[in-house]
Amino acid sequence: ELKVEQNPLFLSMQEGKNYTIYCNYSTTSDRLYWYRQDPGKSLESLFVLLSNGAVKQEGRLMASLDTKARLSTLHITAAVHDLSATYFCAVDRLGGGADGLTFGKGTHLIIQP
Amino acid sequence: DSGVTQTPKHLITATGQRVTLRCSPRSGDLSVYWYQQSLDQGLQFLIQYYNGEERAKGNILERFSAQQFPDLHSELNLSSLELGDSALYFCASSYDGTGPMDEQFFGPGTRLTVL
Repeated sequence: ELKVEQNPLFLSMQEGKNYTIYCNYSTTSDRLYWYRQDPGKSLESLFVLLSNGAVKQEGRLMASLDTKARLSTLHITAAVHDLSATYFCAVDRLGGGADGLTFGKGTHLIIQP
Repeated sequence: DSGVTQTPKHLITATGQRVTLRCSPRSGDLSVYWYQQSLDQGLQFLIQYYNGEERAKGNILERFSAQQFPDLHSELNLSSLELGDSALYFCASSYDGTGPMDEQFFGPGTRLTVL
């Protein structure tokens, strides 16, 4: 059974600081997704990582993928309050894309002024 | 706005009842996915349809069923409802799920409360 583990599950940090969220998964997959969810809202796609060594950046967020280590990271640079949300990583079960996603439990991020 | 629409936004019903949730995918997308989000189970994949046919099944209960119609909209039917079925139900769509940049876009969700 595919397992996706995120840590930390809860993170409170101050504006201006840097931090990293980790996502480990238990089976071979060359496709990993990061989503953002605001309270009571839908999931917003942040990144799709397709291959080993993939790195993508959007504003203060940067995601990377190491398929050999089965590890993805989401790095936050100089955090601002607007980035407060829950962040999920997800892997599709069969690795080829034609399947549902298995999600981590999410990292609840609070950024304080 | 992802382009995926879901109705209704909220649904309140009683145990033992049956409800139908509706989803319209983004224009051009052929695949529809259903997910359940609850506090204790997190986000769980239920079922996927591709161009009218069931393609993949996740943790979907036997009391639940889905279908995708010729116009590609999908319905999720939940019957014999229990308190534990209270959750946020999301629909997502993608072109077909296999392309290199294909990804799932999520709808706004239907919040189901079973009393």
